[in-house]
Amino acid sequence: QQQVKQSPQSLIVQKGGISIINCAYENTAFDYFPWYQQFPGKGPALLIAIRPDVSEKKEGRFTISFNKSAKQFSLHIMDSQPGDSATYFCAASISGGYQKVTFGIGTKLQVIP
Amino acid sequence: ETGVTQTPRHLVMGMTNKKSLKCEQHLGHNAMYWYKQSAKKPLELMFVYNFKEQTENNSVPSRFSPECPNSSHLFLHLHTLQPEDSALYLCASSQVAGTNQPQHFGDGTRLSIL
Repeated sequence: QQQVKQSPQSLIVQKGGISIINCAYENTAFDYFPWYQQFPGKGPALLIAIRPDVSEKKEGRFTISFNKSAKQFSLHIMDSQPGDSATYFCAASISGGYQKVTFGIGTKLQVIP
Repeated sequence: ETGVTQTPRHLVMGMTNKKSLKCEQHLGHNAMYWYKQSAKKPLELMFVYNFKEQTENNSVPSRFSPECPNSSHLFLHLHTLQPEDSALYLCASSQVAGTNQPQHFGDGTRLSIL
């Protein structure tokens, strides 16, 4: 059973556009929501993370929006660049649960010039 | 070296072979993890070690055997694998398991079973 549902699985965006990736979860015990970025041939790397006590977190061109009541969160990449082309994973975990991180299926983003 | 290093980067083996994957972290972390990454599937957590003690075995078949001799090194011993075990195996580390600290991943070992 997929506990974190991620969509879309692939996304093509024009350079300068906004990339939006959505995730939804069922387990209300999740209290930490990281996003990871993975380039081909590399392991995932933490991009940005949010806790459910805030509705938005911004770091540079990357913003997480969090809707606790809807159990949804999303990643927005503003002014998308070809260098942002990668696979993005949303994830969720519960503190104290030996950090069993549940990952989404991933979104392959391609930013075209 | 810094970060999390995995060797080898690529491994091709027959179903009757025995091989080992190695992971080393230079971040001073106390928790280490093995994940399996297959196409069109979410990352699957296999094993968790916290201060060298195994705290999670996510129903992994016994043909995969982890070993954590110290907080900096993690091994995955492989024997009699099946074709469906072909995947990218990722190692990760974090400060302490269960504290929602970010996980740092290696670049993985691409395993192909003939």
